[in-house]
Amino acid sequence: GDSVTQMEGPVTLSEEAFLTINCTYTATGYPSLFWYVQYPGEGLQLLLKATKADDKGSNKGFEATYRKETTSFHLEKGSVQVSDSAVYFCALRGSYIPTFGRGTSLIVHP
Amino acid sequence: DTGVSQDPRHKITKRGQNVTFRCDPISEHNRLYWYRQTLGQGPEFLTYFQNEAQLEKSRLLSDRFSAERPKGSFSTLEIQRTEQGDSAMYLCASSVAGATTDTQYFGPGTRLTVL
Repeated sequence: GDSVTQMEGPVTLSEEAFLTINCTYTATGYPSLFWYVQYPGEGLQLLLKATKADDKGSNKGFEATYRKETTSFHLEKGSVQVSDSAVYFCALRGSYIPTFGRGTSLIVHP
Repeated sequence: DTGVSQDPRHKITKRGQNVTFRCDPISEHNRLYWYRQTLGQGPEFLTYFQNEAQLEKSRLLSDRFSAERPKGSFSTLEIQRTEQGDSAMYLCASSVAGATTDTQYFGPGTRLTVL
């Protein structure tokens, strides 16, 4: 079946540091890929998405590129802020059943 | 567009009791999903509807769980004879069925605590 593997957290960074959160997946066919963010006390929000190989999703300074050859969709941001502290979930949509990773907690210190 | 809403936000119940949760999707969204999320985990798919038809159910969904979407709008998730292991956050999401992305929009969740 489909699966998503994310790097374990927490990831702790200082403000303005570079962020990478790794995500790899296993799926049949050509899934769509997503990053969701969950801020403390809130529901999941879509951060960005990509629907085919080599697509780059971007939003709020975050980027991720759909790499079919390495089955990866790593999340990056050039300069994180304290307000980016949250849990980030990588997800895929293959056939009918969406599959989420376990989430990676990001803590950004001033 | 008021977003996906869920009711109640919190539910505390005793083991063996039945509980029912409600989800109101974004207007015009014809797909509706239910997930369960436990601490430190990502959402686990339970079931989904397209309009009023329940198209897929996870093996996680035991016989004690039932979901309905009678008119293709709001949905209910009922858990009968609750167990302590049912304690979790229950999430609802909705989307518009499309050829490619089927982007889901999540509600705030219902947190269930079974004592």
